[in-house]
Amino acid sequence: AQRVTQPEKLLSVFKGAPVELKCNYSYSGSPELFWYVQYSRQRLQLLLRHISRESIKGFTADLNKGETSFHLKKPFAQEEDSAMYYCAPIHNNDMRFGAGTRLTVKP
Amino acid sequence: NAGVTQTPKFRVLKTGQSMTLLCAQDMNHEYMYWYRQDPGMGLRLIHYSVGEGTTAKGEVPDGYNVSRLKKQNFLLGLESAAPSQTSVYFCASSYSGENSPLHFGNGTRLTVT
Repeated sequence: AQRVTQPEKLLSVFKGAPVELKCNYSYSGSPELFWYVQYSRQRLQLLLRHISRESIKGFTADLNKGETSFHLKKPFAQEEDSAMYYCAPIHNNDMRFGAGTRLTVKP
Repeated sequence: NAGVTQTPKFRVLKTGQSMTLLCAQDMNHEYMYWYRQDPGMGLRLIHYSVGEGTTAKGEVPDGYNVSRLKKQNFLLGLESAAPSQTSVYFCASSYSGENSPLHFGNGTRLTVT
C-alpha cells in the first residue's frame, strides 16, 4: 500500500540552528515528490518539488531512492519558517500526504 | 484571479442531514481533488477528477459523492452526514498530473453533531 511517514509531529529549534524534517515513503513505482507548507492563517501551498531541484526560502530536499526518503533541510532556521510542513509523493494521480510536522523556530 | 475558492467556510450539520461543498477554480486546471484533514492524519484524498465529466475514488471515498459537470467546479456531497465526517475539507486543483503542484482552497470546517 502507498504510505508516507513523517516521524516527527513536532519539531522545535532555535533561530539560526539547522533543521531537518524527515519524510519516508513506501510506494509502488517511482513517485514524484513534493513538500507543502501551511503558515498560520494561510492556505496550504507548495514549498518545493524534487523535479525542479530548487532551493526555496533556503530549504532543499534530497531524494534518497535507496532509503526511499525525501528529507527537507535548511542550514539556518528563521522564525518565519514556523509552520506545518507536509511531505507528499504522487504517482498515478494518487497524491498522499504525510501527517505533517509542526516546526517551531524559537528566537 | 481568485485561484481556488471553497464555499461555505464553516458548516454545522446534524446527523443524517445532507449538504454539498462547492469548489471553484479559475485557472483552467484539468485536475481537481477533495481532501479531508484530521488531527494527526494529514490530508487524505476523498475523490478526484482528471477532467470535466470524470471522477475517481481516492483513499477514503465512502460516504461522499462528487460531480464535475463543469471544468471549473468540483462538488463534494454528503448524502447522510455522520459524526465521523467532522473534519476540515480542502479542495485543490492542478494543471495536469504528477509534475504539477496543487493549488489549495482555504478549507471548509464541517461539524456533524
